[in-house]
Amino acid sequence: DARVTQTPRHKVTEMGQEVTMRCQPILGHNTVFWYRQTMMQGLELLAYFRNRAPLDDSGMPKDRFSAEMPDATLATLKIQPSEPRDSAVYFCASGLADRFSMGYEQYFGPGTRLTVT
Amino acid sequence: GQSLEQPSEVTAVEGAIVQINCTYQTSGFYGLSWYQQHDGGAPTFLSYNGLDGLEETGRFSSFLSRSDSYGYLLLQELQMKDSASYFCAVRTNTDKLIFGTGTRLQVFP
Repeated sequence: DARVTQTPRHKVTEMGQEVTMRCQPILGHNTVFWYRQTMMQGLELLAYFRNRAPLDDSGMPKDRFSAEMPDATLATLKIQPSEPRDSAVYFCASGLADRFSMGYEQYFGPGTRLTVT
Repeated sequence: GQSLEQPSEVTAVEGAIVQINCTYQTSGFYGLSWYQQHDGGAPTFLSYNGLDGLEETGRFSSFLSRSDSYGYLLLQELQMKDSASYFCAVRTNTDKLIFGTGTRLQVFP
């Protein structure tokens, strides 16, 4: 049963601390996405990768957020320093972008619920 | 700019049919997806329309009209477990998904 995994599931930290969230995409998927969900802003795309290369990180505050894919089985999202306004649920999703297929599905991980105090 | 509009809330009773509309204004439109999210859970894929017309998957159907920049999700034979938030999302030509603000569906007995 292939699924996207994320760690940690919950994180409580103090303002100013560094936070690292990890994601293992589904094996064989070539596209990985990071989303943030809050009540006020809904589901926002922060960054995404195709074949490990960053394609778009325009949704991410560059001064404190960074996203990387050190290898095909690991994507990371880092916040340094964290602020209370970063409190949200962060989802990782993976998919297989295939121009010859009319299907298109992103598989979401369970999310990391981040609270910054 | 990119924008998607869908109703914020819909209510219905068990066994009924409900339609959730979505209108969009986006550049680089490639297709329209629908996702379901239960409280505390992650979004899960329901359907995708890459072409105009109706796609049917069990009790759920989705429709797309590119000329009208419009789509809808149709849920039939509603069950209590269908109470959730439903998001339309535009797939762009760079394979991004831009999500709408979601429609909260409440199904009553």
